[in-house]
Amino acid sequence: QSALTQPASVSGSPGQSITISCTGTSNDVGGYKYVSWYQQYPGKAPKLLISDVTNRPSGISRRFSGSKSGNTASLTISGLQTEDEAHYYCSSHTASDTLLFGGGTKLTVL
Amino acid sequence: QVQLVQSGAEVKKPGSSVKVSCKASGVRFRSSAFSWVRQAPGQGLEWMGDIIPVLRTENYAQRFQGRFTISIDESTNSVYMELSSLRSEDTAIYYCARSPMIVVVSHFDHWGQGTQVTVSS
Repeated sequence: QSALTQPASVSGSPGQSITISCTGTSNDVGGYKYVSWYQQYPGKAPKLLISDVTNRPSGISRRFSGSKSGNTASLTISGLQTEDEAHYYCSSHTASDTLLFGGGTKLTVL
Repeated sequence: QVQLVQSGAEVKKPGSSVKVSCKASGVRFRSSAFSWVRQAPGQGLEWMGDIIPVLRTENYAQRFQGRFTISIDESTNSVYMELSSLRSEDTAIYYCARSPMIVVVSHFDHWGQGTQVTVSS
């Protein structure tokens, strides 16, 4: 299975909002509510930001939000901060009862 | 607090096997599913497979079937992964990750610190 499609990089200025897309098929993103987003700093383990498309775990800033339309899920970060500069990965449950990750997006805060 | 503590870095020869451990604490072991996720240098995350302790069932990504095994030791709340027939492309950081969902492989709310596995002759 090919990885879910994410833009390789996005950028924004402090205070702005950015959106990272995650495109799959009806056999993964489009077919299930089990889409998640992770943040990863260099040399660190990933951290869960969003589960089940829109659910934000306790302790995660309200600046992070998730949505889905058809086969594309999105992560929006509002009020961009310099500490948000990191890699972001989406994941989705699949019809094969496996998990697929996106290729990852590097966020640069200018 | 929840902790997943993995075993240390490994250097292996091509064709050999590696076994990595992940000890869970502060979490209800039998109410969890545990996955292994790897990350090759400069690359993204790749799900390899998972195990559900309460069901004693394992599920593997197709590309790893046949040379990848996940096991558990409930007496020590530990999860293990073993990868055989190692090749240079298996050089990566291997993460243990816990999911609160046992019905479907979903999201991971806790991760181990990662174990570097290097395959080199």
